[in-house]
Amino acid sequence: QQQVKQSPQSLIVQKGGISIINCAYENTAFDYFPWYQQFPGKGPALLIAIRPDVSEKKEGRFTISFNKSAKQFSLHIMDSQPGDSATYFCAASTDKLIFGTGTRLQVFP
Amino acid sequence: GAVVSQHPSWVICKSGTSVKIECRSLDFQATTMFWYRQFPKQSLMLMATSNEGSKATYEQGVEKDKFLINHASLTLSTLTVTSAHPEDSSFYICSAPRGLAGPGELFFGEGSRLTVL
Repeated sequence: QQQVKQSPQSLIVQKGGISIINCAYENTAFDYFPWYQQFPGKGPALLIAIRPDVSEKKEGRFTISFNKSAKQFSLHIMDSQPGDSATYFCAASTDKLIFGTGTRLQVFP
Repeated sequence: GAVVSQHPSWVICKSGTSVKIECRSLDFQATTMFWYRQFPKQSLMLMATSNEGSKATYEQGVEKDKFLINHASLTLSTLTVTSAHPEDSSFYICSAPRGLAGPGELFFGEGSRLTVL
């Protein structure tokens, strides 16, 4: 119930390409769905977030798509850059934040 | 700049000793802080919720007597790993909610890497 499933585990994308990471959840009590970006040896940083009453949110090159009925949401990174290479975690929260398993993204020039 | 500061950023200790990690919110008050643990190439697992002026709330499976959490002021929470053993070696990260935002929007510290020999 408290799990957030994330795929793929790793992703390799060419510079300029689109990176897509998918997540699914079971607990319908979750009311906030953020994405965090983490570089090696650092704490994660909030990237973008969405509430379940919205189907899509875009901030610059980053877009969240949310499907409430399917209990799925995804992160799209447009025009992926080498600087985007990091580990991405989807998450879901009620009174606490539960993280997905993470996706290691590598963007090659 | 960082809004949540952790100290130390790394520590090496002998088995059986205790280690204290500090987490400070800079320029804002945090009545609640969250402590996470992360093993190499794995996700962040919530250990406990630190509440200012009251007892921490621990997640299932986390030993409260081993991982002592104190939140004595609105800007400081501490995690003490008591009688540390090699299996306690991990990356410990604290976090605090951003302003009036709920637990979904968190400022994270830089993390503290603990190695127990």
